[in-house]
Amino acid sequence: DQQVKQNSPSLSVQEGRISILNCDYTNSMFDYFLWYKKYPAEGPTFLISISSIKDKNEDGRFTVFLNKSAKHLSLHIVPSQPGDSAVYFCAASANNQGGKLIFGQGTELSVKP
Amino acid sequence: EAEVAQSPRYKITEKSQAVAFWCDPISGHATLYWYRQILGQGPELLVQFQDESVVDDSQLPKDRFSAERLKGVDSTLKIQPAELGDSAMYLCASSLAVNRDYGYTFGSGTRLTVV
Repeated sequence: DQQVKQNSPSLSVQEGRISILNCDYTNSMFDYFLWYKKYPAEGPTFLISISSIKDKNEDGRFTVFLNKSAKHLSLHIVPSQPGDSAVYFCAASANNQGGKLIFGQGTELSVKP
Repeated sequence: EAEVAQSPRYKITEKSQAVAFWCDPISGHATLYWYRQILGQGPELLVQFQDESVVDDSQLPKDRFSAERLKGVDSTLKIQPAELGDSAMYLCASSLAVNRDYGYTFGSGTRLTVV
């Protein structure tokens, strides 16, 4: 049972344009959502998070949008840079699960110069 | 910047052999997690510790996997015997118990190849 889904395995974007990565979830108990970025042979690094009481959180070039009714969130990167090329994981947690993060399958972003 | 230390970075082992991974979390982080990431998939939780106690090991294949955190600091994950399907990246992470805004800090992982 895949509770967090990233249906696009890969995304290619031109430098300077917007990258939009999508994530869907099924468990209505999830109340925190996070995005991680992962380079090859390294562990994931935290990027940005959003609580379920918000619908938007922004940090520099990164913005996460949450649509609770649709159980959908997205990560926007504007403008995209070649250094953003990595695998992006969406993750979710529920308050009653001890902080455990459930991850999606990841989307590999390639930003071309 | 504080880091989660893991060793070894890479490990190649033969099927049916024993293998162990070590993790040293960020100082003061009471919660420690072991995740497994198979190529092309997201990380999956194997075991979660709060100090020295196991909080969640529901996804740990207990017939061959074991994990311990004896003094509530560093931790060891062991596989015995290893199987071909255990080839994956094993990730350790730690967190302050209550800060959900920042999730966990992951180590660089151990890439296991079983041949």
